[in-house]
Amino acid sequence: QSALTQPPAVSGSPGQSITISCTGTSSDIGTYNYVSWYQQYPGKAPKLIIFDVSSRPSGVSNRFSGSKSGNTASLTISGLQPEDEADYHCGSYVIRSNFIFGGGTRLTVL
Amino acid sequence: EVQLVESGGGLVQPGGSLRLSCAASGFIFSDYWMYWVRQVPGKGLMWVSRMDDDGTTTTYADSVKGRFTISRDNAKNTLYLQMHSLRSEDTGVYYCIRDRVMRQSTWDFDLWGRGTLVKVSS
Repeated sequence: QSALTQPPAVSGSPGQSITISCTGTSSDIGTYNYVSWYQQYPGKAPKLIIFDVSSRPSGVSNRFSGSKSGNTASLTISGLQPEDEADYHCGSYVIRSNFIFGGGTRLTVL
Repeated sequence: EVQLVESGGGLVQPGGSLRLSCAASGFIFSDYWMYWVRQVPGKGLMWVSRMDDDGTTTTYADSVKGRFTISRDNAKNTLYLQMHSLRSEDTGVYYCIRDRVMRQSTWDFDLWGRGTLVKVSS
């Protein structure tokens, strides 16, 4: 099972909105709504910020939102802030009790 | 404090074995499915294994099936990952993770430990 495809890097200025894509196949994102997103600062463990495609855990800013269309999921961060600069990883359930991640996207806030 | 603390990582030669431990505290460990995920430093994440709350159901990624064994001791609030026949591609930081919801496997990796580094090299 190949990893989900994410852009290696995206950037944006404070206050702007950015979107990170995560492309899979009909065996994962295209069929299941078990898509999650994780934020990771350098040297730290990842943190869950989106689950079930578009739900946010308690305490996560509503500036983070998720969506899905076909085989592609997306994470949108609105009102970009300097502290949003981090790595973002998507993940999806895969047929036959498996799970795959994307390669990660480095977000730079200019 | 709700936390997971991994231990047992280190340098091991190809073909060698290692056992990782994960000590849970601050929550009812026996109520949750648990997972192991690894990350090559500077790279992406890879799901390795999972175990249900009472230790009867296990699942493995194809790349570790037959070489790794996940287990847990609910009396000791501890999760384990026994790794055999280690390869260079097994190198990475291994994270112990709790599911977001009690008594279900949602595949939502909610509570993460800090990780323990495993390096497979001669």
